[in-house]
Parts: sequence; C-alpha cells; structure tokens
Amino acid sequence: DTGVSQDPRHKITKRGQNVTFRCDPISEHNRLYWYRQTLGQGPEFLTYFQNEAQLEKSRLLSDRFSAERPKGSFSTLEIQRTEQGDSAMYLCASSPGLSGSYNEQFFGPGTRLTVL
Amino acid sequence: AQRVTQPEKLLSVFKGAPVELKCNYSYSGSPELFWYVQYSRQRLQLLLRHISRESIKGFTADLNKGETSFHLKKPFAQEEDSAMYYCALRDANTGNQFYFGTGTSLTVIP
Repeated sequence: DTGVSQDPRHKITKRGQNVTFRCDPISEHNRLYWYRQTLGQGPEFLTYFQNEAQLEKSRLLSDRFSAERPKGSFSTLEIQRTEQGDSAMYLCASSPGLSGSYNEQFFGPGTRLTVL
Repeated sequence: AQRVTQPEKLLSVFKGAPVELKCNYSYSGSPELFWYVQYSRQRLQLLLRHISRESIKGFTADLNKGETSFHLKKPFAQEEDSAMYYCALRDANTGNQFYFGTGTSLTVIP
C-alpha cells in the first residue's frame, strides 16, 4: 500500500461534460474526505465519508456534484454539466477513523481538472 | 465566513534566521488546529497539531486563545523548510469539516 491514490491525475474536459474521479484510500482507513483547491487558495472541504456513509457535505457542493463510496473502500466524485469554475485540483484524503479522537489525514496526489 | 487567516502569501528568510508563519482563526468553542505542509512536487501532509504540543522538524506552534492565533515558529530556518504551509481548523461542532487557510509559501534563502 503506497498511500492514497487518485485517478486520473489530470482531466481536461469541455464545458457541459460530466467527469468522474476516483480515490483509493489507504487500506482499512474508514474515513475518506474530498477537497477542492483552486489557485492561490487552501483546500476547501467538500464532503466526508465514514465507511460507506456520507456524513457531511459542504454547502460548496452543488447538486451537480455527487460522491459515493459504495463498499466503504474506494470513492468516486462526479461532476455533472461541468462549468469553467469547476477547474481546480480535487484532493482526496483518508484517515483511520479511530473512535473518539482525531486521526491524521493522508492526502492523495490530487486530480487536476481543467474545464475548457 | 472565513475561519482561518494566513496574512502572508509569501515569506522569505535567510538560512539560520528565525521564522514565524502567522495563522489567525475565528471559531466559537474550543478549536482544534493544525499545520500542514506541502513540499515541492509532494503531497500535502500533516506537520503538527496543537493538541499534541509537539515539535516536528524543529517547528512548534502554540495556540493562543486570547489572540485567536496559532503561529508556526522555528528558531533556525533550514533550506529544506522551503515549502507551502497551510494552517487548518477542525470544526468540532460538525465533527469533521476542516477549514484551511490560503497558505504561506516559505522560501529559505541559502
């Protein structure tokens, strides 16, 4: 296990198209997070899973965005009808999720989305 | 509402000089604060968190509730400290939402 992986690393799409990104967390990490990072900004929280349950969603996550983690392992983030403003780096992170304590988040390399 | 502020986008110091990266936050209740670092062409990684009160790579950060600050300090900067540094706050009210600052790019001049 070499850490959190994300696929693809880069995606260029035309406005209006749908895109899907995948995140594979570290094995046995039951918490999984998605963030978006635009140029000059820090990561912005999008959503969080505990196992397969999506427990929190940011108000930033419009209805064009949907995330799943069907078996509590890998996760997908889909953006429908992409807009130029969706261009960003999409980061995934995972953590062990031991109860009652904060756990370090391990970040993936990110997927850079460019919407033309 | 912005919860974490890093006022300096860029910071340059000479090797061996002290360095302080500023972080201020706004939050009701007891905050949980962190510093993350991203070295060139590497992933974002945790540097330290306030609850651990630890020193990592010579860096320390003290939570000052009166000034609502969590500044990152190192007495003698090294070239390998050059990186992007992000201050982050965990929203304990929601459980797991994290808010990151805009980051400070530190350059240590040899």
